[in-house]
Amino acid sequence: DAGITQSPRHKVTETGTPVTLRCHQTENHRYMYWYRQDPGHGLRLIHYSYGVKDTDKGEVSDGYSVSRSKTEDFLLTLESATSSQTSVYFCATVSPGQGVDEQFFGPGTRLTVL
Amino acid sequence: GQNIDQPTEMTATEGAIVQINCTYQTSGFNGLFWYQQHAGEAPTFLSYNVLDGLEEKGRFSSFLSRSKGYSYLLLKELQMKDSASYLCAVRNTGGFKTIFGAGTRLFVKA
Repeated sequence: DAGITQSPRHKVTETGTPVTLRCHQTENHRYMYWYRQDPGHGLRLIHYSYGVKDTDKGEVSDGYSVSRSKTEDFLLTLESATSSQTSVYFCATVSPGQGVDEQFFGPGTRLTVL
Repeated sequence: GQNIDQPTEMTATEGAIVQINCTYQTSGFNGLFWYQQHAGEAPTFLSYNVLDGLEEKGRFSSFLSRSKGYSYLLLKELQMKDSASYLCAVRNTGGFKTIFGAGTRLFVKA
């Protein structure tokens, strides 16, 4: 296991409120990713980071921002939550150059926006 | 555009063999992954192919044909615990970005 934790694990919030999800890893992996998973869509990339303060957009980045000030932490912020952002959010990490370079996933955060 | 297709659901019998197919069209290719995801849990890595051919790992095997944009995951001696979703994913050539298919839900019945 890559020692990935996500907080909170469950959250219910109201439309228009800001929400921040945290991903924490203890393995010093360089790459970190935020995905959302919805029925029929699989995992879709929101944002990713290839180093401290280095981030880039994924395929569904609108309405989301990220920050990575330390190797171990990758934060996902919904500035003003909408009902369409109700989803399960997964964080993942990769440590390139150590073989297959598969992704290790956190346990997920279930977010409900009312 | 980029697209990964796999069947939505499959059902198989305990002890049998099942093949889950995946076709892909992506802007770059740097390996194909299969992940297993049990309901309510995170995906976990199963297999990886970057060259054409078959990779075997115990009861699980994965095949890749890059010229056809095609892969399959073969599960032998099915067990009830194999009931899960199986995600096909292709890694692009830049940024270690990975595109995931919607997943195939496999139901194993007694």
